[in-house]
Amino acid sequence: SQKIEQNSEALNIQEGKTATLTCNYTNYSPAYLQWYRQDPGRGPVFLLLIRENEKEKRKERLKVTFDTTLKQSLFHITASQPADSATYLCALGRYNTDKLIFGTGTRLQVFP
Amino acid sequence: DTGVSQDPRHKITKRGQNVTFRCDPISEHNRLYWYRQTLGQGPEFLTYFQNEAQLEKSRLLSDRFSAERPKGSFSTLEIQRTEQGDSAMYLCASSLGFRDRASDTQYFGPGTRLTVL
Repeated sequence: SQKIEQNSEALNIQEGKTATLTCNYTNYSPAYLQWYRQDPGRGPVFLLLIRENEKEKRKERLKVTFDTTLKQSLFHITASQPADSATYLCALGRYNTDKLIFGTGTRLQVFP
Repeated sequence: DTGVSQDPRHKITKRGQNVTFRCDPISEHNRLYWYRQTLGQGPEFLTYFQNEAQLEKSRLLSDRFSAERPKGSFSTLEIQRTEQGDSAMYLCASSLGFRDRASDTQYFGPGTRLTVL
């Protein structure tokens, strides 16, 4: 069955550094991949979309890469701030279904 | 606030009882989704509506679960004969319904946290 893995342990970094989160998948061929942010007690919030034919997307301090050969996406937050502290989820999708498959999420903690 | 709303935010029930949750999507959004999220996990897809039609259901949605969207606006999710394993956060999301699914951003509500004792 399909499996999506994200860093299970929390990622702790110092303010100003770049945070890099990983999303690996197996037994699945997504057409696109999305990244979401989720704060405690709240629903996920969409951040970025990248399609299978795209290598990299950027939005302000965010950057996402997508390597379909390695079956991996990397999510980067540059110049991280304490306000970036949250859980980040990757989600995979295909064009023939409305079902998104979410990873387990990685909790990011940015210390001042 | 014009975001997705869910009611109630918290529900505590005893095993065997029935519960019903409500989701009000963003107006003009044609698609509505239900997800379940347990602690330390990502959301798991349960079902999806295009207007009032229920188009896709996960195998996670057992016979005890039923969802409706009678007029293509709000939706309800009912769980009959609740079990302790049903304890989770139930999330609702809505989207405009773009033909390009990748661009059809899903907007999530705050969720209903269910605790089955």
